[in-house]
Amino acid sequence: DQQVKQNSPSLSVQEGRISILNCDYTNSMFDYFLWYKKYPAEGPTFLISISSIKDKNEDGRFTVFLNKSAKHLSLHIVPSQPGDSAVYFCAASRGSQGNLIFGKGTKLSVKP
Amino acid sequence: GAGVSQSPSNKVTEKGKDVELRCDPISGHTALYWYRQSLGQGLEFLIYFQGNSAPDKSGLPSDRFSAERTGGSVSTLTIQRTQQEDSAVYLCASSSTGGFYEKLFFGSGTQLSVL
Repeated sequence: DQQVKQNSPSLSVQEGRISILNCDYTNSMFDYFLWYKKYPAEGPTFLISISSIKDKNEDGRFTVFLNKSAKHLSLHIVPSQPGDSAVYFCAASRGSQGNLIFGKGTKLSVKP
Repeated sequence: GAGVSQSPSNKVTEKGKDVELRCDPISGHTALYWYRQSLGQGLEFLIYFQGNSAPDKSGLPSDRFSAERTGGSVSTLTIQRTQQEDSAVYLCASSSTGGFYEKLFFGSGTQLSVL
């Protein structure tokens, strides 16, 4: 049973436009959410995170929105750049656990 | 080195053989994690080491899988009697204290192919 779901395996966006990556979760005990970015043949790298006590966190071109009632979070990238082309993983954790639960990832392609 | 180092980067083995995968975490990091990513799947948690505490082995898929961490640093993931479904990228990550809200630093992974 998948606790973290990324229902879009891929997304294609034009350079300069907004990219919106979505993530749904089922476990209401999750209290921290993270996004990781992965380039081919490299390990994932941390991008941005949000605590469940917030509904928005912004870092430069990246903003994460959390809707706890809908158990949904999204990552907005604006403006999108070709270098943003990668696989984006959503992850969630519970305060009592030492590991992250990851989604299957969404492959973002930003076209010049 | 500055980052998490994993070796080998690629491993091809025959079904039934044992394999060992190595991870060198970032110096000073007390927490170490193993994940794997099968084709088309997300990152699946395998095992977590934190300091001298007993490891969290709850993600290991079978008793063919084991891991150890010597001296609180280097870790080895061992898969005995490999099966084709073990083929995946095995990723190691570390964090400075294992606090639940800390970001993980991942290595580049070991691509394991079981023929």
